[in-house]
Amino acid sequence: DIQMTQSPSSLSASVGDGVSISCRASQSISNYVHWYQQKPGKAPKLLIYSASTLQSGVPSRFSGSGSGTDFTLAISSLQPEDFATYYCQQSYNTPYTFGLGTTLEIK
Amino acid sequence: QVQLLESGPGLVKPLETLSLTCNVSGDSITNDHYWGWIRQPPGKGLEWIGSFYGTGSAYFNPSLQGRATMSIDKSKNEFSLRLNSVTATDTAVYFCARGPTLQYYYYYYMDVWGKGTAVTVSS
Repeated sequence: DIQMTQSPSSLSASVGDGVSISCRASQSISNYVHWYQQKPGKAPKLLIYSASTLQSGVPSRFSGSGSGTDFTLAISSLQPEDFATYYCQQSYNTPYTFGLGTTLEIK
Repeated sequence: QVQLLESGPGLVKPLETLSLTCNVSGDSITNDHYWGWIRQPPGKGLEWIGSFYGTGSAYFNPSLQGRATMSIDKSKNEFSLRLNSVTATDTAVYFCARGPTLQYYYYYYMDVWGKGTAVTVSS
């Protein structure tokens, strides 16, 4: 199975800050990476697919980049509703696997 | 607007079979999309369980060791998951989700999710 390693596991930031979350794959996976946001008690929400394509309806302050083994989710100018847990997921091979998540907390 | 709604028993005894259903509205499960299940143990991350396309065969996470099956009911526009010989490690919130169209199979992302249904395995 392809392992997806996210860092950091948690992150504190303030409203208005910009942050980046990293996701590293255990082998090269081209751009078959997708990012989700999950709030407590809710289902995950798709933010970014194929590494850098913004899902319809997702604010443009979210962006994704990377290829191969290293990927980044960036959020510019954090809003109060952005404090949540973020997961990356690979679809290069089955089983599809997720990172363990990065929890973004308010400082 | 596509909506998915999971339903299930809530509590299942060890070694019994867990059965969950996902009802889909706003899209047909035999149209051009993959559909599948994902679960999340309490306080933990996400695990993909399995997926299918149209009326084709399903494929599953090997971690389930052959315990999972999926079926569809076209008349009700819903699909189901059965997981047999459950143990406490199967305790989780189970989500159903829509995958990509066939053209984008390799970019298997999930763009519409149900709210999830909590399942506890306990005697």
